[in-house]
Amino acid sequence: DIVLTQSPGTLSLSPGERATLSCRASQSVTNNYLAWYQQRPGQAPRLLLFGASSRATDIPERFSGRGSGTDFTLIISRLEPEDSAVYYCQQYSSSPTFGQGTKLHIK
Amino acid sequence: QVQLVQSGAEVKKPGASVKVSCKASEYSFISYDINWVRQAAGQRPEWMGSMNPNRGDRDYAQKFQDRVIMTWDSSTSTAYMELSSLTSDDTAIYFCARGFINIFDIWAQGTKVTVSS
Repeated sequence: DIVLTQSPGTLSLSPGERATLSCRASQSVTNNYLAWYQQRPGQAPRLLLFGASSRATDIPERFSGRGSGTDFTLIISRLEPEDSAVYYCQQYSSSPTFGQGTKLHIK
Repeated sequence: QVQLVQSGAEVKKPGASVKVSCKASEYSFISYDINWVRQAAGQRPEWMGSMNPNRGDRDYAQKFQDRVIMTWDSSTSTAYMELSSLTSDDTAIYFCARGFINIFDIWAQGTKVTVSS
């Protein structure tokens, strides 16, 4: 299985700032088959991006992604209070696996 | 709107089985996979497997191969996941999620399964 490692573990930023979240794979993720999800407390995960950089339906332009191979990044610009959540990356180039998550706290 | 709704919380004893349902609405049930993902408290999500009602096949994660069964009823747009030989390690929230090429775009609310003697 492909192991995904996310960093940092926790991020604390202020509204209006930019968040940069990293996801590193133990082996190359073919075709950039990498997705990002947001999970607020007590809720199911919500799809943000797929194919490393394509936004899902109704996801604001503030959410963007980049990367290829083994290194991927989620960028959230102009942070808002409702962005407080845990963010997971997931690869689907082989049997799906998730990263351990990055907890984003908006001060 | 497009929605998945799961059955309610379950409490089971070690060694028992649990069966969770997932009802789809407002989309063509046979046009997408249904995936099952579980998440223990404070842990990352874990993919258990998927089923494709159109092709009639299933793809189980190796970890669960011996004790999970995924079925469906197309007439009611409902998917089912049965997990047997439960232990305390199976205590988690179980989610069904609509999928295409293993991208999970619509999730249900989750079903809490507690395994305790």
